Amino acid sequence: DQQVKQNSPSLSVQEGRISILNCDYTNSMFDYFLWYKKYPAEGPTFLISISSIKDKNEDGRFTVFLNKSAKHLSLHIVPSQPGDSAVYFCAAGSGNTGKLIFGQGTTLQVKP
Amino acid sequence: GAVVSQHPSWVICKSGTSVKIECRSLDFQATTMFWYRQFPKQSLMLMATSNEGSKATYEQGVEKDKFLINHASLTLSTLTVTSAHPEDSSFYICSARVAGIETQYFGPGTRLLVL
Repeated sequence: DQQVKQNSPSLSVQEGRISILNCDYTNSMFDYFLWYKKYPAEGPTFLISISSIKDKNEDGRFTVFLNKSAKHLSLHIVPSQPGDSAVYFCAAGSGNTGKLIFGQGTTLQVKP
Repeated sequence: GAVVSQHPSWVICKSGTSVKIECRSLDFQATTMFWYRQFPKQSLMLMATSNEGSKATYEQGVEKDKFLINHASLTLSTLTVTSAHPEDSSFYICSARVAGIETQYFGPGTRLLVL
């Protein structure tokens, strides 16, 4: 049972345009969500997070939107840069255990 | 800040041997550390949660006698793959967090190849 899903395995965007990465979840008990960026053979790097009590969080070029009723979140990157090319994972957690459930990842390619 | 290291970054071993992987939080004290495994082109699968000074909590399907976890201090956790077999070959990644803060900070990962 995949509680966190990233249905798009890949996304290609032109440099300067907006990249939108999507994530859906099934467990309404999740109360925080995070986005990580990962290069091959490296550990994930934390990008941005959002609490379930918010619907938007912004940090520089990165904005995360949360739609609780739809159990959907998205990461917007604008403007996209070639260095943003990587695999992006969304993750969800609940309570104080700290455990995160990860999506399958979306490979973003930003073309110059 | 929030740097997590892993050692070794790459290990090749013979089938039947044991391999120890270290995970250290370099600039903060981690109340909880996590061990993940990632197969090629797949997601990160949580193996176990490790709290300093207590026994690790393993996820369903993870053999605790095969994957020994020790969290000896607030900055160090180790994962020992005992009697490794080729099917244990994978990318192992640890993460660390501070109590009350949701963000996990990840190490760079360890690539294990069992021949």
